[in-house]
Amino acid sequence: EIVLTQSPGTLSLSPGERATLSCRASQSVSSTYLAWYQQKPGQAPRLLIYGASSRATGIPDRFSGSGSGTDFTLTISTLEPEDFAVYYCQQYGSSYTFGQGTKLEIK
Amino acid sequence: EVQLVESGGGLVQPGGSLRLSCAASGFTVSSNYMSWVRQAPGKGLEWVSVIYSGGTPYYANSVKGRFTISRDNSKNTLYLQMNNLRAEDTAVYYCARIMQQWLVFDYWGQGTLATVSS
Repeated sequence: EIVLTQSPGTLSLSPGERATLSCRASQSVSSTYLAWYQQKPGQAPRLLIYGASSRATGIPDRFSGSGSGTDFTLTISTLEPEDFAVYYCQQYGSSYTFGQGTKLEIK
Repeated sequence: EVQLVESGGGLVQPGGSLRLSCAASGFTVSSNYMSWVRQAPGKGLEWVSVIYSGGTPYYANSVKGRFTISRDNSKNTLYLQMNNLRAEDTAVYYCARIMQQWLVFDYWGQGTLATVSS
């Protein structure tokens, strides 16, 4: 089973700043099957990025994904107040797995 | 508009059973890949089970042999039968549709809480 490790565990930033979130896989992952989700308290996760770099429907262009192989990144170019949430990466290899999450909090 | 509405959660004793339902609208369950994902209180997301459009099910090792995923095409509804429940199965259970080309979860329900406790 492929293990996804996200870093940092918590990221403290201010609105207007740039956020960079990392997702590292224990073995190579196909970029086709790499996604990022946002989850706010009491809500279901929301798909942000699929195929490592494609934005889902309705996702603002301040969200971008990149990476390949074992290292993937979610970047939020200019943080808005509504972006503070928990972010998860997810992959499909022979099974579906999620990273443990990165909490993006207001500094 | 795509919608997923879960129901069936509740409090059950260890060793007991629950059946979760996920009523879908705006698309056809049987033509899609459908999944259950759970989240223990204060924890991250854990994939539980998937049923592909051809009907083949797969399970996480943690639930294999105890949980069964199924669907009722006439009701456009997905189910998760959970037997021999353990305290560690306590979680919010989400049903989710999978984008077939990308194998990611594009639509999610609001979740239903299953609590296993004596």
